[in-house]
Amino acid sequence: EVQLLESGGGLVQPGGSLRLSCAASGIIFSSYAISWVRQAPGKGLEWVSVISGSGGNTYYADSVKGRFTISRDNSKNTLFLRMNSLRVEDTAVYYCAKALNPRGAPFDALDVWGQGTMVTVSS
Amino acid sequence: DIQLTQTPSFLSASVGDRVTITCRASQDISTYLAWYQQKPGKAPQLLIYAASTLQSGVPSRFSGRGSGTDFTLTVSSLQPEDFATYYCQHPNTYPLTFGGGTKVAIK
Repeated sequence: EVQLLESGGGLVQPGGSLRLSCAASGIIFSSYAISWVRQAPGKGLEWVSVISGSGGNTYYADSVKGRFTISRDNSKNTLFLRMNSLRVEDTAVYYCAKALNPRGAPFDALDVWGQGTMVTVSS
Repeated sequence: DIQLTQTPSFLSASVGDRVTITCRASQDISTYLAWYQQKPGKAPQLLIYAASTLQSGVPSRFSGRGSGTDFTLTVSSLQPEDFATYYCQHPNTYPLTFGGGTKVAIK
């Protein structure tokens, strides 16, 4: 069974930093692009970032560009999201989600999602 | 950037009803569209990709149609477990875009 498990969320002050992790099991991790998608309380889904299977290509939403960094360690089947200069509007549940097709383009439907980790940015 | 507009944003229906949700893209996206279901407190679940291909394990009462700019998700006979929020998504270009969502509630 394919599973994704996020961790690292919590309460942080505006301007602070946080690193999220997403541990994968049940897949050949390096074959799949993985995205981060967030959902503010009571709001819809917002794509944040994606990284290719090799880690060589990364893309970001304009709202986080220059503040967030996506990376992966394929030897440990783990994805990361380093979040700097956090703002109140970054408060959300953050999900990692796997691309549908292996070795495909980074942008794809997302067929397996983690349970999410809550990030709260507040003073 | 491609914008996705879902209508309606909210609908109430009864068990057994046929329900259709529309997603309109701001430009031609061929059949590059996916649909997700999300229940409260849970992660989204992929229902349909490539506009009309049912994801493995998804009941056949769900169906998707469309190409170009206009797409629909239909539930042929609404079941109690189908009351949820549904999102469309254009998955194939940067930035990856979601529609605003349609909440399906019990009448």
